[in-house]
Amino acid sequence: AQSVTQLGSHVSVSEGALVLLRCNYSSSVPPYLFWYVQYPNQGLQLLLKYTTGATLVKGINGFEAEFKKSETSFHLTKPSAHMSDAAEYFCAVTISGSARQLTFGSGTQLTVLP
Amino acid sequence: DSGVTQTPKHLITATGQRVTLRCSPRSGDLSVYWYQQSLDQGLQFLIQYYNGEERAKGNILERFSAQQFPDLHSELNLSSLELGDSALYFCASSPQDGYGYTFGSGTRLTVV
Repeated sequence: AQSVTQLGSHVSVSEGALVLLRCNYSSSVPPYLFWYVQYPNQGLQLLLKYTTGATLVKGINGFEAEFKKSETSFHLTKPSAHMSDAAEYFCAVTISGSARQLTFGSGTQLTVLP
Repeated sequence: DSGVTQTPKHLITATGQRVTLRCSPRSGDLSVYWYQQSLDQGLQFLIQYYNGEERAKGNILERFSAQQFPDLHSELNLSSLELGDSALYFCASSPQDGYGYTFGSGTRLTVV
């Protein structure tokens, strides 16, 4: 079975500073990895995904993540935080196969300070 | 608008009652997934349907059931409701071979 650990349930950054949200996964087979964002009272929106190929994945809103197999990590970064980035971020994992159910991490609440 | 429609947005009901949550997937998506989001359990996969057939089951209680109809919309039925069933219930859909879903905006269920 696969699992995801998100380090830091709350992260605060200043506007314009680097955003780094950490995600480590556990999977016995090659994983497919995802980052989702959830704004208050809304559903989850896919930011980016890694399935195969290039390990540096670019997503929407200037976010990117790098799949590092040796470190079993898939950290999310953004060079310069905007106030609009304040939200909850979820890392998720699945494996190839007929089913596509995701196992989610516990989430990281990002606060952007003016 | 993600293209995945969930109704109702909010639902308040009493313990012991039964409710039905509805989900219409994005046009063309054959798979529908149901997830529960609660403060103590986080996001938990409940069940997946693909083109009308159950494909995978997760942490779904026996009091809960779901189905996907020929027009591909899905319903999640929750019965004998308990206070602990209060949560956000999300539906998501994906194409046949797609990874990464599109989520609806959820149904917030409050059991009183």
